Amino acid sequence: NAGVMQNPRHLVRRRGQEARLRCSPMKGHSHVYWYRQLPEEGLKFMVYLQKENIIDESGMPKERFSAEFPKEGPSILRIQQVVRGDSAAYFCASSPWDVYGANVLTFGAGSRLTVL
Amino acid sequence: DQQVKQNSPSLSVQEGRISILNCDYTNSMFDYFLWYKKYPAEGPTFLISISSIKDKNEDGRFTVFLNKSAKHLSLHIVPSQPGDSAVYFCAAIGSSNTGKLIFGQGTTLQVKP
Repeated sequence: NAGVMQNPRHLVRRRGQEARLRCSPMKGHSHVYWYRQLPEEGLKFMVYLQKENIIDESGMPKERFSAEFPKEGPSILRIQQVVRGDSAAYFCASSPWDVYGANVLTFGAGSRLTVL
Repeated sequence: DQQVKQNSPSLSVQEGRISILNCDYTNSMFDYFLWYKKYPAEGPTFLISISSIKDKNEDGRFTVFLNKSAKHLSLHIVPSQPGDSAVYFCAAIGSSNTGKLIFGQGTTLQVKP
């Protein structure tokens, strides 16, 4: 019973490079969420996706960040031209349906991005 | 604009005693609250939740209290165990937002043997 799988667990990039973070939701889950945790802060919502649809991207920075959840394969969070301020832990979560009430998100272990 | 606040960055208690973690919120539209627990190098795991129509929810050693008039909730752990040592996040979800949990900054709990 695999949980939410994220890879890579650790990623080091130089300024200006691209970072790609992958997330495979739990089996049977069709809703994926990405959160970011900056040092000494709580998790901040970035984007909510269903298969082939972006439902809510209100937490995504306007530039350089994009996310997708294709019909086949994992969800991908892509950061272009990374800057030092992008260094953070990026957490993916999944749920079997819209989250409200008793249902809760299941989080992956996170991908830690370090930008040199 | 921090809508969910955990004003105590850390808390240390003796094993067997009660741990009380506090959380304040500013948005009266929040109607569901959750507590997550996080160990280093792991993702947050769900602990306990409470709907705004209730003022208390209990699950084993964990109890969450909600005071809507004060916009305050607290998590009580009794008795505390060394394995409870972790970062605890309070989170809220609004009725019009799906999946958008708003987290506090977290409180690091240390339970000493």
